[in-house]
Amino acid sequence: SAVISQKPSRDICQRGTSLTIQCQVDSQVTMMFWYRQQPGQSLTLIATANQGSEATYESGFVIDKFPISRPNLTFSTLTVSNMSPEDSSIYLCSVQGNSNQPQHFGDGTRLSIL
Amino acid sequence: AQRVTQPEKLLSVFKGAPVELKCNYSYSGSPELFWYVQYSRQRLQLLLRHISRESIKGFTADLNKGETSFHLKKPFAQEEDSAMYYCALATQGGSEKLVFGKGTKLTVNP
Repeated sequence: SAVISQKPSRDICQRGTSLTIQCQVDSQVTMMFWYRQQPGQSLTLIATANQGSEATYESGFVIDKFPISRPNLTFSTLTVSNMSPEDSSIYLCSVQGNSNQPQHFGDGTRLSIL
Repeated sequence: AQRVTQPEKLLSVFKGAPVELKCNYSYSGSPELFWYVQYSRQRLQLLLRHISRESIKGFTADLNKGETSFHLKKPFAQEEDSAMYYCALATQGGSEKLVFGKGTKLTVNP
């Protein structure tokens, strides 16, 4: 399966600031996704990162709060904007080579907001 | 709405005992089901998917559409099986979002 590099692996941020998380894949993939895992909770899909167009957001997530870029088939970024303590979570990138393949996950970014 | 239920948050068994992690789903279409596992300090990784009908690390899971279940089973648990297990559902085609259950933490005691 593809090698997925996600960074930073963790960060501690101040309230009101923004952080951009990067996800790099070593091969071209059709689909890239961003998930959130809040403390003690399961994974929830934030959005599907579409190459060359705006991301598709799930209910409860908006572009102003979680802007996403996907400039090509191997790279995507998720920005967590105007952070508050409620944004403290693990953010995970996942990729899917094609529709017949399962999703594979990066190591995640553990984000804490003070 | 799509939903995945894992009724057991924690499951503890002894080494060599059989283990079953339960997963039930709710979806009106044709589902694709997965089990993902996360070992301590490792990334979330795919354990198996129902369309493969294979056994990975001794684990099997059968999709039961009548009972809308996809329970994960292993006849003889090993200590290295201790991990967090997540059941996940994808909509038809598998190229859409994954809906995850809340996970079951399995502990295999020596």
